[in-house]
Formats: sequence, structure tokens, C-alpha cells
Amino acid sequence: DTGVSQDPRHKITKRGQNVTFRCDPISEHNRLYWYRQTLGQGPEFLTYFQNEAQLEKSRLLSDRFSAERPKGSFSTLEIQRTEQGDSAMYLCASGITDTQYFGPGTRLTVL
Amino acid sequence: DAKTTQPTSMDCAEGRAANLPCNHSTISGNEYVYWYRQIHSQGPQYIIHGLKNNETNEMASLIITEDRKSSTLILPHATLRDTAVYYCIVRDPMKTSYDKVIFGPGTSLSVIP
Repeated sequence: DTGVSQDPRHKITKRGQNVTFRCDPISEHNRLYWYRQTLGQGPEFLTYFQNEAQLEKSRLLSDRFSAERPKGSFSTLEIQRTEQGDSAMYLCASGITDTQYFGPGTRLTVL
Repeated sequence: DAKTTQPTSMDCAEGRAANLPCNHSTISGNEYVYWYRQIHSQGPQYIIHGLKNNETNEMASLIITEDRKSSTLILPHATLRDTAVYYCIVRDPMKTSYDKVIFGPGTSLSVIP
């Protein structure tokens, strides 16, 4: 247990529905990252926050995806109008330096 | 950020040292080598990182060649709990962009009883 928590751990939804995931980083960590991981692949970077500022978004993050980190603490990742291709593990990581501490992930299944 | 190449899979006998290689021939002077591992159904776990000197911590040792074009992660006494996918990535910590950080498929290490 790294101290990074994610909720829910599993989410099953129907195509077209919206879903929201939450990440609670280690409390003193100002950096927060979101990744997506599909079966057999390594994590793919989605977005990065430093405190409350979203400093970088991957081209993988389509208009249906939005992430927030109000007050620089927890973060949410919302996917609107889910598609079957969104089925994946969504990982959150936090850190102070460049070393990242990952949460357990949220596994999303879109039916 | 430089790309890395790792073997797809490796086996190691329990209690023996596991040596996991990583090639990063295009590494630049400011890029560090980081190792993470991911046990099935869990998030990745940080193991160790280094720039050019060999590093050791409670989990593993990292040996970086003098030309820095390759490195080896050493688990000195592998246990069944070390069965995981091991990722080697290189990154310049002074860069603010993470879009080019590539985990790749990693090396799937199986520790055999």
C-alpha cells in the first residue's frame, strides 16, 4: 500500500453513460498523474497536475475526458459518453519529485 | 525521453538472483533510469532509480554501464512475491513534459519454486 487510494476499484457501466473516478494522493505530494492501462501494455500517460494546475494533457485525452484537482488535494477523472474502447485500468500516481507512487487503479468495463 | 528495450519474459529460480536487463542506447546526459514493477492486478510500484552510479536499496540493486546505454536491475534473492512485470523507463526529471514517458510492455518475470 503506497498511500495513494482510488475509488471505486471496479466500475461496470453501459456504453454512453458517464463515469467519475476519484484519486486521493499521499497528502504532502503536490504532483498527481493519471494513466490508462490496457491488457498486456504498460501504463499510458493521460494528464499531470502540479497542485491544482493541470499542466499537461496527453493527446490520448479526448474531449470526453476531463480531470480536475480542486484545492490541489484529491483529483477526479470523468469520462463522458463512455465507449467500449474506454475499458481499461485507470491509474493515479502522486509524488513530490519525479518518483511516482501509484494507487491500485480503477478497472473500468464498458458493456 | 529515450526509449528502452527489455526482454518480453524471464524465469528465475526462487532464492537465486534475478538479473533484468534494459537497453537505453539513446539516453541523454540528464536522463535517469527508473525501474518500476507491477504485480498482477495492482498499480505499479517504484523500485529504484539512478543516473550513472550503481544504486542499492532494500528492494534491489541497479547497475548502469559506464556508457549508460544499458542497465541491469538485480533482485538478489528472488521470492515468489517478486513475480511481476518490470518496467524500465528513462526520464529527465527537469523536463516538465510526461507525454513522452513510455513504460512499454516491460519484462514479465516468473519466479519458479
